[in-house]
Amino acid sequence: GQNIDQPTEMTATEGAIVQINCTYQTSGFNGLFWYQQHAGEAPTFLSYNVLDGLEEKGRFSSFLSRSKGYSYLLLKELQMKDSASYLCAVKVGQAGTALIFGKGTTLSVSS
Amino acid sequence: DTEVTQTPKHLVMGMTNKKSLKCEQHMGHRAMYWYKQKAKKPPELMFVYSYEKLSINESVPSRFSPECPNSSLLNLHLHALQPEDSALYLCASSQDNTGRVEDTQYFGPGTRLTVL
Repeated sequence: GQNIDQPTEMTATEGAIVQINCTYQTSGFNGLFWYQQHAGEAPTFLSYNVLDGLEEKGRFSSFLSRSKGYSYLLLKELQMKDSASYLCAVKVGQAGTALIFGKGTTLSVSS
Repeated sequence: DTEVTQTPKHLVMGMTNKKSLKCEQHMGHRAMYWYKQKAKKPPELMFVYSYEKLSINESVPSRFSPECPNSSLLNLHLHALQPEDSALYLCASSQDNTGRVEDTQYFGPGTRLTVL
Protein backbone atom coordinates (compact mmCIF):
# COMPACT_ATOMS: atom_id res chain seq x y z
CA GLY A 1 0.00 0.00 0.00
CA GLN A 2 0.87 3.66 -0.19
CA ASN A 3 1.42 5.61 3.00
CA ILE A 4 2.48 9.22 3.39
CA ASP A 5 2.54 10.79 6.85
CA GLN A 6 2.66 14.44 7.83
CA PRO A 7 1.74 16.21 11.05
CA THR A 8 -1.83 17.45 10.94
CA GLU A 9 -1.27 20.90 12.35
CA MET A 10 1.59 23.22 13.25
CA THR A 11 1.73 26.73 14.65
CA ALA A 12 4.47 29.33 14.47
CA THR A 13 5.02 33.05 14.80
CA GLU A 14 5.98 35.63 12.21
CA GLY A 15 9.68 35.74 11.46
CA ALA A 16 10.29 32.25 12.81
CA ILE A 17 11.49 29.10 11.03
CA VAL A 18 9.32 26.01 10.77
CA GLN A 19 10.08 22.52 9.50
CA ILE A 20 7.29 20.29 8.19
CA ASN A 21 8.22 16.63 8.02
CA CYS A 22 6.95 13.97 5.65
CA THR A 23 7.64 10.25 5.74
CA TYR A 24 6.57 7.92 2.98
CA GLN A 25 6.29 4.24 2.18
CA THR A 26 5.27 3.78 -1.42
CA SER A 27 5.51 1.15 -4.11
CA GLY A 28 7.78 3.05 -6.44
CA PHE A 29 9.29 6.49 -6.26
CA ASN A 30 9.83 9.04 -9.00
CA GLY A 31 10.19 12.16 -6.92
CA LEU A 32 8.63 14.08 -4.08
CA PHE A 33 6.74 17.34 -4.38
CA TRP A 34 5.65 19.95 -1.91
CA TYR A 35 2.56 22.03 -2.63
CA GLN A 36 1.01 24.93 -0.76
CA GLN A 37 -2.77 25.21 -0.65
CA HIS A 38 -4.71 28.11 0.80
CA ALA A 39 -8.26 27.39 1.90
CA GLY A 40 -10.61 27.08 -1.06
CA GLU A 41 -7.83 27.47 -3.60
CA ALA A 42 -5.81 25.13 -5.81
CA PRO A 43 -2.49 23.65 -4.73
CA THR A 44 0.50 25.64 -5.95
CA PHE A 45 3.86 24.01 -6.61
CA LEU A 46 6.66 24.77 -4.15
CA SER A 47 9.45 22.27 -4.69
CA TYR A 48 10.59 18.98 -6.16
CA ASN A 49 13.20 16.52 -4.95
CA VAL A 50 14.25 13.30 -6.62
CA LEU A 51 17.86 13.02 -5.42
CA ASP A 52 19.02 13.07 -1.82
CA GLY A 53 19.86 16.47 -0.49
CA LEU A 54 18.58 19.98 -0.05
CA GLU A 55 16.88 22.16 -2.64
CA GLU A 56 16.64 25.85 -1.79
CA LYS A 57 14.21 28.35 -3.27
CA GLY A 58 14.22 31.67 -1.51
CA ARG A 59 12.51 31.34 1.87
CA PHE A 60 11.59 27.73 1.16
CA SER A 61 13.88 24.70 1.20
CA SER A 62 13.11 21.03 0.80
CA PHE A 63 15.19 18.03 1.80
CA LEU A 64 15.00 14.41 0.75
CA SER A 65 16.50 11.18 2.05
CA ARG A 66 15.40 8.32 -0.16
CA SER A 67 16.99 5.65 2.02
CA LYS A 68 14.96 6.87 5.00
CA GLY A 69 11.78 7.62 3.09
CA TYR A 70 11.87 11.10 4.56
CA SER A 71 11.51 14.67 3.43
CA TYR A 72 11.02 18.03 5.06
CA LEU A 73 9.96 21.47 3.96
CA LEU A 74 11.71 24.33 5.72
CA LEU A 75 10.07 27.74 5.76
CA LYS A 76 12.15 30.70 6.91
CA GLU A 77 11.19 34.24 7.89
CA LEU A 78 7.57 33.24 8.25
CA GLN A 79 4.89 35.64 7.13
CA MET A 80 1.19 35.68 7.88
CA LYS A 81 0.47 34.76 4.26
CA ASP A 82 2.31 31.47 4.80
CA SER A 83 -0.70 30.26 6.80
CA ALA A 84 -1.93 27.43 4.57
CA SER A 85 -1.99 23.69 4.14
CA TYR A 86 1.27 22.11 2.96
CA LEU A 87 0.93 18.92 0.97
CA CYS A 88 3.66 16.36 0.52
CA ALA A 89 3.14 14.25 -2.60
CA VAL A 90 5.10 11.32 -3.99
CA LYS A 91 5.12 10.49 -7.68
CA VAL A 92 4.60 6.76 -8.15
CA GLY A 93 3.21 4.50 -10.81
CA GLN A 94 4.39 2.72 -13.90
CA ALA A 95 4.49 5.84 -16.00
CA GLY A 96 5.65 7.93 -13.09
CA THR A 97 2.74 10.30 -13.23
CA ALA A 98 0.35 9.43 -10.42
CA LEU A 99 0.76 11.73 -7.42
CA ILE A 100 -0.09 10.30 -4.03
CA PHE A 101 -0.73 13.06 -1.53
CA GLY A 102 -0.24 13.08 2.18
CA LYS A 103 -3.12 14.46 4.26
CA GLY A 104 -1.47 17.83 4.48
CA THR A 105 -0.15 19.94 7.34
CA THR A 106 -2.13 23.03 8.29
CA LEU A 107 0.28 25.77 9.31
CA SER A 108 -0.99 28.72 11.30
CA VAL A 109 1.29 31.75 11.55
CA SER A 110 0.48 34.30 14.23
CA SER A 111 1.88 37.75 14.88
CA ASP B 1 3.08 30.82 -17.99
CA THR B 2 1.88 27.97 -15.80
CA GLU B 3 -1.82 28.63 -16.06
CA VAL B 4 -4.51 26.01 -16.07
CA THR B 5 -8.04 27.35 -16.35
CA GLN B 6 -11.25 25.66 -15.26
CA THR B 7 -14.89 26.47 -15.82
CA PRO B 8 -17.25 26.91 -14.15
CA LYS B 9 -15.87 28.06 -10.79
CA HIS B 10 -18.99 26.93 -9.00
CA LEU B 11 -21.68 24.46 -10.02
CA VAL B 12 -24.86 23.39 -8.29
CA MET B 13 -26.72 20.48 -9.80
CA GLY B 14 -29.48 18.06 -8.99
CA MET B 15 -29.05 14.32 -8.98
CA THR B 16 -30.80 13.96 -12.34
CA ASN B 17 -28.86 16.67 -14.14
CA LYS B 18 -26.14 16.29 -16.72
CA LYS B 19 -23.32 18.81 -16.60
CA SER B 20 -19.71 19.12 -17.73
CA LEU B 21 -16.59 20.57 -16.17
CA LYS B 22 -13.99 22.04 -18.49
CA CYS B 23 -10.24 22.44 -18.17
CA GLU B 24 -7.80 24.13 -20.53
CA GLN B 25 -4.05 24.62 -20.67
CA HIS B 26 -1.82 26.20 -23.31
CA MET B 27 1.56 25.16 -21.98
CA GLY B 28 2.02 22.35 -24.48
CA HIS B 29 1.61 19.79 -21.72
CA ARG B 30 0.77 16.29 -22.85
CA ALA B 31 -0.56 14.88 -19.59
CA MET B 32 -3.75 16.08 -17.92
CA TYR B 33 -5.40 14.98 -14.70
CA TRP B 34 -8.65 15.14 -12.77
CA TYR B 35 -8.57 15.12 -8.98
CA LYS B 36 -11.36 15.24 -6.43
CA GLN B 37 -10.82 17.02 -3.13
CA LYS B 38 -13.16 16.92 -0.16
CA ALA B 39 -12.91 19.50 2.62
CA LYS B 40 -9.80 19.15 4.78
CA LYS B 41 -8.63 16.18 2.73
CA PRO B 42 -5.85 15.89 0.14
CA PRO B 43 -6.62 15.67 -3.58
CA GLU B 44 -7.48 12.18 -4.80
CA LEU B 45 -6.55 11.18 -8.33
CA MET B 46 -9.46 10.25 -10.58
CA PHE B 47 -8.16 10.10 -14.15
CA VAL B 48 -4.96 10.66 -16.12
CA TYR B 49 -4.78 11.41 -19.83
CA SER B 50 -1.49 11.00 -21.56
CA TYR B 51 -1.15 12.18 -25.14
CA GLU B 52 -4.96 12.41 -25.29
CA LYS B 53 -5.48 8.81 -24.25
CA LEU B 54 -6.85 7.67 -20.92
CA SER B 55 -3.95 6.06 -19.10
CA ILE B 56 -5.19 5.85 -15.51
CA ASN B 57 -8.71 5.43 -14.17
CA GLU B 58 -8.68 5.10 -10.40
CA SER B 59 -11.84 2.99 -10.17
CA VAL B 60 -14.06 6.02 -10.53
CA PRO B 61 -17.84 5.41 -10.79
CA SER B 62 -19.24 5.56 -14.31
CA ARG B 63 -21.33 8.61 -13.43
CA PHE B 64 -18.05 10.49 -14.02
CA SER B 65 -16.96 10.36 -17.65
CA PRO B 66 -13.73 12.06 -18.76
CA GLU B 67 -13.02 13.26 -22.27
CA CYS B 68 -9.92 14.72 -23.86
CA PRO B 69 -10.92 16.34 -27.19
CA ASN B 70 -7.40 17.58 -27.88
CA SER B 71 -4.09 18.13 -26.13
CA SER B 72 -5.22 21.42 -24.58
CA LEU B 73 -8.66 20.48 -23.34
CA LEU B 74 -10.00 18.10 -20.74
CA ASN B 75 -13.64 17.64 -19.84
CA LEU B 76 -15.39 15.78 -17.06
CA HIS B 77 -18.98 14.85 -17.85
CA LEU B 78 -21.26 14.38 -14.86
CA HIS B 79 -24.52 12.44 -14.80
CA ALA B 80 -26.72 11.14 -12.00
CA LEU B 81 -24.38 12.30 -9.27
CA GLN B 82 -24.96 11.77 -5.57
CA PRO B 83 -24.74 14.37 -2.78
CA GLU B 84 -21.53 12.71 -1.57
CA ASP B 85 -19.93 13.69 -4.89
CA SER B 86 -19.97 17.32 -3.75
CA ALA B 87 -16.34 18.42 -3.67
CA LEU B 88 -13.69 20.60 -5.29
CA TYR B 89 -12.73 19.14 -8.65
CA LEU B 90 -9.20 20.01 -9.66
CA CYS B 91 -7.64 19.75 -13.08
CA ALA B 92 -3.88 19.59 -13.47
CA SER B 93 -1.43 19.28 -16.33
CA SER B 94 2.20 18.31 -16.69
CA GLN B 95 4.74 18.37 -19.45
CA ASP B 96 5.48 14.71 -19.87
CA ASN B 97 4.46 11.49 -18.20
CA THR B 98 7.43 9.31 -18.97
CA GLY B 99 8.98 9.79 -15.57
CA ARG B 100 12.27 10.93 -17.09
CA VAL B 101 11.75 14.57 -16.27
CA GLU B 102 10.56 16.53 -13.25
CA ASP B 103 7.06 16.54 -14.67
CA THR B 104 5.59 18.98 -12.20
CA GLN B 105 1.81 19.03 -12.12
CA TYR B 106 0.24 22.48 -12.25
CA PHE B 107 -3.25 22.82 -10.90
CA GLY B 108 -6.19 24.87 -12.06
CA PRO B 109 -8.33 26.83 -9.58
CA GLY B 110 -10.91 24.08 -9.39
CA THR B 111 -14.66 23.80 -9.75
CA ARG B 112 -16.61 23.67 -6.52
CA LEU B 113 -19.45 21.24 -7.14
CA THR B 114 -22.53 20.92 -4.98
CA VAL B 115 -24.98 18.10 -5.67
CA LEU B 116 -28.43 18.58 -4.18
